[in-house]
Amino acid sequence: DGGITQSPKYLFRKEGQNVTLSCEQNLNHDAMYWYRQDPGQGLRLIYYSQIVNDFQKGDIAEGYSVSREKKESFPLTVTSAQKNPTAFYLCASSMARGPYEQYFGPGTRLTVT
Amino acid sequence: AQSVTQLGSHVSVSEGALVLLRCNYSSSVPPYLFWYVQYPNQGLQLLLKYTTGATLVKGINGFEAEFKKSETSFHLTKPSAHMSDAAEYFCAVVILTGGGNKLTFGTGTQLKVEL
Repeated sequence: DGGITQSPKYLFRKEGQNVTLSCEQNLNHDAMYWYRQDPGQGLRLIYYSQIVNDFQKGDIAEGYSVSREKKESFPLTVTSAQKNPTAFYLCASSMARGPYEQYFGPGTRLTVT
Repeated sequence: AQSVTQLGSHVSVSEGALVLLRCNYSSSVPPYLFWYVQYPNQGLQLLLKYTTGATLVKGINGFEAEFKKSETSFHLTKPSAHMSDAAEYFCAVVILTGGGNKLTFGTGTQLKVEL
């Protein structure tokens, strides 16, 4: 089955540690996205990538980093510089050209204490 | 700039009653509009989309939405609510940029279905 996988489902880290969230897709989509979700705030875009080896900052990129070395993979690193990293993180992918709907993975819930 | 407003962060209906979730958008160009559903601790699932053509769009699980340009609205409806419809619903509009496309989401509406 085609789809997007995110691992792990739950992640716990101590403050000051970097952590990398995995996102893999087998939909042959060119574009991939990372969102952060907090209660009552909807989804906020962290980073997105339209092609391999290229990515752009979204609305809340500070404290995060990404790489896009393969079409299928778009890992997100939450660095120690992110002041409030505890959140639900969602990865998505889409075709680079229309009709533009994005398909989402199941999410990773990160808790930093 | 394009944006999305969802009126009502929480909506409660009785099972079997009409579901109406409101979404208004602002856009300087014809928009692409979407409704997504999210169940607890899961990702978002596409319910339906409007790109061009027919303004009444039918989606999964008996939901539909009507694009009304004059009202800049894209409200989501379902004639008869079911307990399984309890979830959070997000309206979204796409922003086409030189670097690709981005979705802007509303803040979501939590739907509660009561017996």
